[in-house]
Amino acid sequence: SQQGEEDPQALSIQEGENATMNCSYKTSINNLQWYRQNSGRGLVHLILIRSNEREKHSGRLRVTLDTSKKSSSLLITASRAADTASYFCATDDGDYKLSFGAGTTVTVRA
Amino acid sequence: SQTIHQWPATLVQPVGSPLSLECTVEGTSNPNLYWYRQAAGRGLQLLFYSVGIGQISSEVPQNLSASRPQDRQFILSSKKLLLSDSGFYLCAQGVTGELFFGEGSRLTVL
Repeated sequence: SQQGEEDPQALSIQEGENATMNCSYKTSINNLQWYRQNSGRGLVHLILIRSNEREKHSGRLRVTLDTSKKSSSLLITASRAADTASYFCATDDGDYKLSFGAGTTVTVRA
Repeated sequence: SQTIHQWPATLVQPVGSPLSLECTVEGTSNPNLYWYRQAAGRGLQLLFYSVGIGQISSEVPQNLSASRPQDRQFILSSKKLLLSDSGFYLCAQGVTGELFFGEGSRLTVL
């Protein structure tokens, strides 16, 4: 069953702007991960944040995790046209399986 | 590095016909392997996962089956396809909790 839910469903921004998307989940987790999917392709792992971490950075990506609110956010700074994709959060509750949300579709306009 | 090969990339099949999607992986031995399905514009639904040869766990009762005849081979099958089996099928390999995905197989059942 799907645990993570992303918000918004779709986001359109101008190149150079920041993009923020959120993920909420329902049960306790070991870690939360974010993936990117370009149209018609497989998913690519972006970043993993463990349940005892609050913030993590990777290049232009910043992820936060609030376990008390069961929510996470992904921030993409200084967006580029190549960032146009769907972004998914996935939760790992420690049983070898990841549960994915429905994703946020991001369009970066030139 | 983790490389996932999936074939065929695209498949159009009539209702009632059989199905075989193949996935082979490179990299670590005895990997955890997964089959996910993605309906158009939706998130990923976990169908099957395997922690070793001949070990298959099914997540959702359905018209599909999976087999793992070799350590790095994972096969998704159906004896008789339904219209509802249409979708984008993704094979993934789990490595230290992260998933590496293949490029997917797009199945259209007519």
